[in-house]
Amino acid sequence: DSGVTQTPKHLITATGQRVTLRCSPRSGDLSVYWYQQSLDQGLQFLIQYYNGEERAKGNILERFSAQQFPDLHSELNLSSLELGDSALYFCASSSGLVTNEQFFGPGTRLTVL
Amino acid sequence: GESVGLHLPTLSVQEGDNSIINCAYSNSASDYFIWYKQESGKGPQFIIDIRSNMDKRQGQRVTVLLNKTVKHLSLQIAATQPGDSAVYFCAENFNNAGNMLTFGGGTRLMVKP
Repeated sequence: DSGVTQTPKHLITATGQRVTLRCSPRSGDLSVYWYQQSLDQGLQFLIQYYNGEERAKGNILERFSAQQFPDLHSELNLSSLELGDSALYFCASSSGLVTNEQFFGPGTRLTVL
Repeated sequence: GESVGLHLPTLSVQEGDNSIINCAYSNSASDYFIWYKQESGKGPQFIIDIRSNMDKRQGQRVTVLLNKTVKHLSLQIAATQPGDSAVYFCAENFNNAGNMLTFGGGTRLMVKP
């Protein structure tokens, strides 16, 4: 158990809908990262927050947004969902701003029908 | 949980043998190179990292080798055990701002008892 929790574990929704994925980092970790893992794209970095502020951005679609709250939990919002958004979404956390050792949660499996 | 059924290169080894997993990277400017292990149904787990100015680093039963001339990274696992069966990802870290990991495609390691 990495100490990172993600909810829900599974999510099934329809195209065009909007969903919110939630992540609670390890106790004391200030950085939260979001990754997408799909069959054709592998594991892709989406975005990083550090102590409430956005610090790094990867190939995150404009339909996707994230935020980190004062209690350090984070949410990833996915809107106007398409079939291709079906994937595993992982949250990870680390103590510092620049750390190679990131602790990954169990992931949320999103299925868009 | 589920794992992503990626069509990955597979390395099959006998329990007790040594394993060597290879990775080619693309960015010569990366500051760190990292290995992660992902077991079925779980998020990736940090194994070891190596700074770009080093050639070799050893951990517990693992050794990472970095050849910058040919942009090649390898992970050696000594005395491979059934618990080592997983997908192994190499990653590069760009530390320009924040902490963005770029993951490779992954290699599936299968350990035969």
